Amino acid sequence: DQQVKQNSPSLSVQEGRISILNCDYTNSMFDYFLWYKKYPAEGPTFLISISSIKDKNEDGRFTVFLNKSAKHLSLHIVPSQPGDSAVYFCAASAKGNTPLVFGKGTRLSVIA
Amino acid sequence: GAVVSQHPSWVICKSGTSVKIECRSLDFQATTMFWYRQFPKQSLMLMATSNEGSKATYEQGVEKDKFLINHASLTLSTLTVTSAHPEDSSFYICSAAERISRNEQFFGPGTRLTVL
Repeated sequence: DQQVKQNSPSLSVQEGRISILNCDYTNSMFDYFLWYKKYPAEGPTFLISISSIKDKNEDGRFTVFLNKSAKHLSLHIVPSQPGDSAVYFCAASAKGNTPLVFGKGTRLSVIA
Repeated sequence: GAVVSQHPSWVICKSGTSVKIECRSLDFQATTMFWYRQFPKQSLMLMATSNEGSKATYEQGVEKDKFLINHASLTLSTLTVTSAHPEDSSFYICSAAERISRNEQFFGPGTRLTVL
């Protein structure tokens, strides 16, 4: 039973356009959500996070939106750049600093 | 950001042998280290959490006698896959946290293990 789901295994976007990566979760105890970016043969690197007390967090070209009632979050990248091409993992944790639970990832390809 | 290294980056071994993977925090002291496993097209699955100087806490379904974890110092944790079998072939990633904070978990580059 997957508690964090990324239903799109891949996404292609043209350079300069917006990339939207989606993530759904089932565990209502999750209250902190993170996005990680992973290049081939490298470990994931932290990108942006959001607490459940917020519905939006922005950092430069990256914005994460959280819809608690729908148990859905999304990562927006605008404008998309070729260097953004990577696998993006959504992760969640519950109160008490419980271990992160990861989605399967979405491979983003930004085409020049 | 903080740097975490893993060694080796890839290893090929025969079935039945044991393989040790090292995870080091290079510029900070890691009170907690995590070991993950990722099969192709699957998510990162947490195997165990280790705190320096104490026994690791294993996730359900992970055999502690098969995956031996030693967190002997604040900068080094090792994962030993004992009596490896082809089904253990996977990408093993460690992460380290200086203190338990929601996003202060730094990942190593991973180790690809292939068991023949």
